Amino acid sequence: EAGVAQSPRYKIIEKRQSVAFWCNPISGHATLYWYQQILGQGPKLLIQFQNNGVVDDSQLPKDRFSAERLKGVDSTLKIQPAKLEDSAVYLCASSSQIGTAREQYFGPGTRLTVT
Amino acid sequence: DAKTTQPNSMESNEEEPVHLPCNHSTISGTDYIHWYRQLPSQGPEYVIHGLTSNVNNRMASLAIAEDRKSSTLILHRATLRDAAVYYCILKWSDYKLSFGAGTTVTVRA
Repeated sequence: EAGVAQSPRYKIIEKRQSVAFWCNPISGHATLYWYQQILGQGPKLLIQFQNNGVVDDSQLPKDRFSAERLKGVDSTLKIQPAKLEDSAVYLCASSSQIGTAREQYFGPGTRLTVT
Repeated sequence: DAKTTQPNSMESNEEEPVHLPCNHSTISGTDYIHWYRQLPSQGPEYVIHGLTSNVNNRMASLAIAEDRKSSTLILHRATLRDAAVYYCILKWSDYKLSFGAGTTVTVRA
């Protein structure tokens, strides 16, 4: 079974530029998550989709971050304009269903450096 | 979110067991205890989860105290590939994983 795919793996941009990350979840997984992981910290949930609808985006900085999941499969996370503090690894995860006992499967992440 | 407390770091020798403690004194009756680990330059990986009873799988064992205020992840024979950050997480909602700083495990050859 193929895992969660993310691209690009690395991205370097200057502040005030825009950037987009792509995620392809495990086939058949209805739930998709985007996390931000700053160096030395655990991942922080940014947004969660159930199929193509948003379940939770309470920690997404909506003035600069946006995400979409068209057709309930792939997802894109965008930052516009980027700030220095956005330097982090952006992780995508998916799970087959919502539930307290359900595990999440994570992709390798995209490491973003903002200079 | 219910909080967990883990040691910052632990060291182990290869092929010896590793016992990773986690305190969660404010756990509620419906919180599941999940463990994930993150190897260097990779995304987190599910290890094991439980509610009240001890659990075993091919990766590890999870021992849960009778009052559920603490738990221990047991790696039976550590290998160099087990060097990672281990996160103990209380999953109280249907979907949300709230990661702390975790325990960095170092395995000596």
